[in-house]
Amino acid sequence: QKEVEQDPGPLSVPEGAIVSLNCTYSNSAFQYFMWYRQYSRKGPELLMYTYSSGNKEDGRFTAQVDKSSKYISLFIRDSQPSDSATYLCAARDSSASKIIFGSGTRLSIRP
Amino acid sequence: DSGVTQTPKHLITATGQRVTLRCSPRSGDLSVYWYQQSLDQGLQFLIQYYNGEERAKGNILERFSAQQFPDLHSELNLSSLELGDSALYFCASSYSLTGEIDEQYFGPGTRLTVT
Repeated sequence: QKEVEQDPGPLSVPEGAIVSLNCTYSNSAFQYFMWYRQYSRKGPELLMYTYSSGNKEDGRFTAQVDKSSKYISLFIRDSQPSDSATYLCAARDSSASKIIFGSGTRLSIRP
Repeated sequence: DSGVTQTPKHLITATGQRVTLRCSPRSGDLSVYWYQQSLDQGLQFLIQYYNGEERAKGNILERFSAQQFPDLHSELNLSSLELGDSALYFCASSYSLTGEIDEQYFGPGTRLTVT
């Protein structure tokens, strides 16, 4: 079993829709949770991070972590074609710099 | 542009060969991380160096090795290459060792094709 599981998609939604991306994890020691966005032929870039449980909002993006169910979510409001990319969830514990990535969900926003 | 540079962008080589991938971290960053991204395995952490010293190891094969030089650039050496080593290899850098979220900035990657 992978430590961070993510549905690879692809996921295709119309412009303006609310997108929900989800991951589950198995390691209870994970305390930092991240979402990376990766455009085609580019390296991943950090989109959002949260520490422990709770929500974090940044513009159209909201990251949510539920440690009781080991569930990580990213919501994108008013989705734009420029949001089309692969989204990777990731996690690590507080003592290590090693990040465990999910396999990524390919998202396509249709104009 | 993340400020992390990687060379070469593409590399095509034959099985059994050895290659070296190079990474220059962002100015001021002391940590360098290497990742392998393949279609079936996703993005996998290989190894981390901090200020010239190895700090963490992930799923790095014995045929692979890395080092970080005094000027902080890093090289990843892949030897006895197999078809399954074909992948994107990313380097990332960050300022500190661990602690609170320490954003890792990823380079554009080196695409390795083993034929």
